[in-house]
Amino acid sequence: DAGVIQSPRHEVTEMGQEVTLRCKPISGHNSLFWYRQTMMRGLELLIYFNNNVPIDDSGMPEDRFSAKMPNASFSTLKIQPSEPRDSAVYFCASSLQGTSNQPQHFGDGTRLSIL
Amino acid sequence: QKEVEQNSGPLSVPEGAIASLNCTYSDRGSQSFFWYRQYSGKSPELIMFIYSNGDKEDGRFTAQLNKASQYVSLLIRDSQPSDSATYLCAVIPNTGGFKTIFGAGTRLFVKA
Repeated sequence: DAGVIQSPRHEVTEMGQEVTLRCKPISGHNSLFWYRQTMMRGLELLIYFNNNVPIDDSGMPEDRFSAKMPNASFSTLKIQPSEPRDSAVYFCASSLQGTSNQPQHFGDGTRLSIL
Repeated sequence: QKEVEQNSGPLSVPEGAIASLNCTYSDRGSQSFFWYRQYSGKSPELIMFIYSNGDKEDGRFTAQLNKASQYVSLLIRDSQPSDSATYLCAVIPNTGGFKTIFGAGTRLFVKA
């Protein structure tokens, strides 16, 4: 079975540019999570969706960040305008949530560098 | 107080020994607990999950949960150099929903 698929794997862009990260969750999973990982702050939850609806976006750092999930098989995380402090590894994860909290499965991540 | 706390390590153990990784959490009502392993430059991968007090064993791994003490641990028996990685403790607090809080991770180094 295909796991969580993220693209691109690496992104290098200049400050001020728009960045779009993409994620395809595991088929049949109903929850999708976006995380950011840095050495200083560890793994931080940015936002998560359940059945394509954003449930908690309290981790989104500021208005420059936005996320969408137009359907069950695709999500995007957008940064506009990007800043050097946004440089990090961004992970997408998905899970099947029901009566119990099931573990999340992570994609390979997008390593983002803002110059 | 952090919501999920782990000793950052590094924890160094000789090959064949038992590695013990510990995690404490602040939300007493938390119900779901996970251990992930993350190799350098890779994504986190699930090792174990536990929901009830007591021990849960899977091969060389044992997860232990003590809700009264708000403590969850991971034991790795017969440690191998390939177990060298960062181990992340994750907790779903009792706030409703599926928001997962990760600890900062413990770096484990198994010496051959």
